[in-house]
This record gives sequence, structure tokens and C-alpha cells, in this order.
Amino acid sequence: AQSVTQLGSHVSVSEGALVLLRCNYSSSVPPYLFWYVQYPNQGLQLLLKYTSAATLVKGINGFEAEFKKSETSFHLTKPSAHMSDAAEYFCAVSPNNAGNMLTFGGGTRLMVKP
Amino acid sequence: DGGITQSPKYLFRKEGQNVTLSCEQNLNHDAMYWYRQDPGQGLRLIYYSQIVNDFQKGDIAEGYSVSREKKESFPLTVTSAQKNPTAFYLCASIRQGMANTEAFFGQGTRLTVV
Repeated sequence: AQSVTQLGSHVSVSEGALVLLRCNYSSSVPPYLFWYVQYPNQGLQLLLKYTSAATLVKGINGFEAEFKKSETSFHLTKPSAHMSDAAEYFCAVSPNNAGNMLTFGGGTRLMVKP
Repeated sequence: DGGITQSPKYLFRKEGQNVTLSCEQNLNHDAMYWYRQDPGQGLRLIYYSQIVNDFQKGDIAEGYSVSREKKESFPLTVTSAQKNPTAFYLCASIRQGMANTEAFFGQGTRLTVV
């Protein structure tokens, strides 16, 4: 069984500030982890993915995430927030590298203040 | 361009009616998925199909039905048995058996009961 917990359904930061979105997972097998972004009334777009090649993963739009097995975490960060980063972010876990049977967290809505 | 297309973008249903949401992909992906999204609840899996003419129930299949007669198509029917169908529905596809692959999402269909 696998599950994902995203701490904080809403996160607000000022433009230029650090973005930190938290994700903790539970998986009975080595996990594959994903972060997706969703803009209003649109589908999900992949930001980055961890598939065991490297623990620090860099994605699009300046985002990155670090896989920490000891903490069962995969937090998403960006050094400097931009207004265009305002969206909903989803962490997801899969038990294999084909991305099948994705289990999603509840999502975190990121708000960026000018 | 390859992609996954959902239609319509907005759909209104009267109580007691069945409605069908379309999902088509030209990515040659084997697996297709339907998710339901409600505010604050993330994405919940309704049905999935990993091969033509075969599909499995997800976590919230009651009140829904699907078919997979063609590889590129995976329509979802919301039946009158679904008591609370108002939601945002997302279709996704995945190319199975490939390392480092991820799910591709359509733009979603927003269903409203009137």
C-alpha cells in the first residue's frame, strides 16, 4: 500500500521568497515520486520526478526536490517565488518506474503575494 | 502534436441523466486512467485500463462505468446512480513498461448537475 501526505493545503509566500511545499510518503516498496502543477481549470503538468537515479531532482521552472529516504520525504522547493508560480501542486507516489497506479496527495495551493 | 484530449470542457447534467465524458490520446499509451477532483481532496481514482478490452475499478468506481474498445479511447459514463457527480474529471495516460515515464493528463472536464 502507498500513500502521500502534503502538509498544508494552502501556502502563501511573497514574491522573491523561498517556496517550500512538503510531501511525505508511505510505500511498501521503493517508491517513484512525482510533483505535478495544476493551473486553474487545467490538467496536471509534470514538474519533476524521482526514479532513484539521483536524490536531488531538478525540474522545470526552477523547482527542485530532494528525496530523503530516512525522512520518507520529497519536499518541493524553489529559491525565489514568481507570481506565475501561483497554482496547485500535487505530490504523487508510484510503486514502479512506469508511473502506474499513481497515488496523489491532497494538493497544496500556492499563493504568491506581490 | 501528440497529446491527450478531453471533451467537453464544461458539461451540465440534469439529475437522473447519464452523461459520457470523452478521453482520446494519440500517444500510443497502453494505460489510461480516470480521476475525480474535488476541492481539498486531491485526485481520486475512478477506473483504469492497462490494455484494450480490460479495465479495473479504482477507489471510487460506484456510479461510473467505462469502456476500452480502442487503445486511444477511454470514455467515462457518469450514471444516475452517482449521487454527487459535480466535480472536475481528469483523464490520464501512461506508456507502460518504460523507465522514467510519467502520466500525461488531459485538460479536464468540469461536470455540474443542474
